[in-house]
Amino acid sequence: AQSVTQLDSHVSVSEGTPVLLRCNYSSSYSPSLFWYVQHPNKGLQLLLKYTSAATLVKGINGFEAEFKKSETSFHLTKPSAHMSDAAEYFCVVSGGGYQKVTFGTGTKLQVIP
Amino acid sequence: GAVVSQHPSWVICKSGTSVKIECRSLDFQATTMFWYRQFPKQSLMLMATSNEGSKATYEQGVEKDKFLINHASLTLSTLTVTSAHPEDSSFYICSARPGLAIGREQYFGPGTRLTVT
Repeated sequence: AQSVTQLDSHVSVSEGTPVLLRCNYSSSYSPSLFWYVQHPNKGLQLLLKYTSAATLVKGINGFEAEFKKSETSFHLTKPSAHMSDAAEYFCVVSGGGYQKVTFGTGTKLQVIP
Repeated sequence: GAVVSQHPSWVICKSGTSVKIECRSLDFQATTMFWYRQFPKQSLMLMATSNEGSKATYEQGVEKDKFLINHASLTLSTLTVTSAHPEDSSFYICSARPGLAIGREQYFGPGTRLTVT
């Protein structure tokens, strides 16, 4: 069994300030973890993924996430928010023989000019 | 690379009719394809997983006779919403995965917005 919890449904930051989107997971397997971004009325784009290699993962557009097994967390960060970062972000866990995927409920990021 | 397309991007149909949505992997072979449903301002809900050449595996609560999934080739999967009703109106998203290797991410299509009147 597996699950993922995104702790904040909405996050609001000022442009140029750091971004932190929180994600906790549970899994009976050694999970793979992903962050996806969805802009309004668009499909999903992969930001980054963790697959049991380096625990600090760097993704596109300056985002990174750190896998912390002891805390069962995979928080997404960015040093400086840009207006174009405003979107919905989904944390995803994948595991098991068929790599079943479970989505978090999403965090809507608002960037204030 | 790794592009997934969906057709149509939006469709309006009358209650009681059936609608077919296509999902294609354009530049890779997709061993597994997934179908998701997304309600407004909500997360994606996995409906079913399909492996090429075999029957789809439906998630609990998803009616397999209502949501028919066919994965006839390594590049095409179809979702048919049969006898559609207004409550079936939603954003349907497919994804495709190149293989069973651990950590292989899914590539998502742009989605199909279905409105049933």
